[in-house]
Amino acid sequence: QELLVQSGAEVKKPGSSVKVSCKASEGTFRNHAINWVRQAPGQGLEWMGGISPVSGTPNYAQKFQGRVTITADESTSTAYMELSGLRSDDMAVYYCARGVGQHLISYFDYWGQGTLVTVSS
Amino acid sequence: QPVLTQPPSASGTPGQRVSISCSGGRSNIGSNILNWFQHLPGTAPKLLIYSDNQRPSGVPDRFSGSKSGTSASLAISGLQSDDEADYFCAAWDDSLHGWVFGGGTKLTVL
Repeated sequence: QELLVQSGAEVKKPGSSVKVSCKASEGTFRNHAINWVRQAPGQGLEWMGGISPVSGTPNYAQKFQGRVTITADESTSTAYMELSGLRSDDMAVYYCARGVGQHLISYFDYWGQGTLVTVSS
Repeated sequence: QPVLTQPPSASGTPGQRVSISCSGGRSNIGSNILNWFQHLPGTAPKLLIYSDNQRPSGVPDRFSGSKSGTSASLAISGLQSDDEADYFCAAWDDSLHGWVFGGGTKLTVL
């Protein structure tokens, strides 16, 4: 059973950036895509993007292009999602989710516990 | 607005069978596999059904999935109190080149 452990809750000011980490088991990033999904209060889930070991380059949802950066450090088995230019509507729980396979189209078999990001002045 | 459409709520009594629908389009449900997740607030979502109708090991056979065209359904039979949770569907979207989700259905066991 895979365990994805995310970093703790963050409180950020509007306009700043947040970087959330997701630690996986050793070797995970060689064999699995990693995705980032968020859920704003009272809203549904929203895919932000993901990174596949096949290409090594991240793919982002159009809505977040230019504001989000997803990386994966195989040496520490940790993935990161950095979101810049934070606004009040970025307040959400952010999840990492592992793809069952290497491609981004692989369904999610395990999720992290979520990281609450609060944006407040 | 979520790309996939789910009813916001569903309910049933213990032992009953309930069904939750998920409706989409040709570029998502109509072209790709549909997956269902169970989500309890404050916890990691759990994979319930993958590839339209497959259960991961450990998921009771009370949970079943089906798909026809651009719609899918999750059925829960023999409803139990600990089935009370949010359920959401997810599929890859070929037009958006990304994952899309339903808005989630909150299941209440009366």
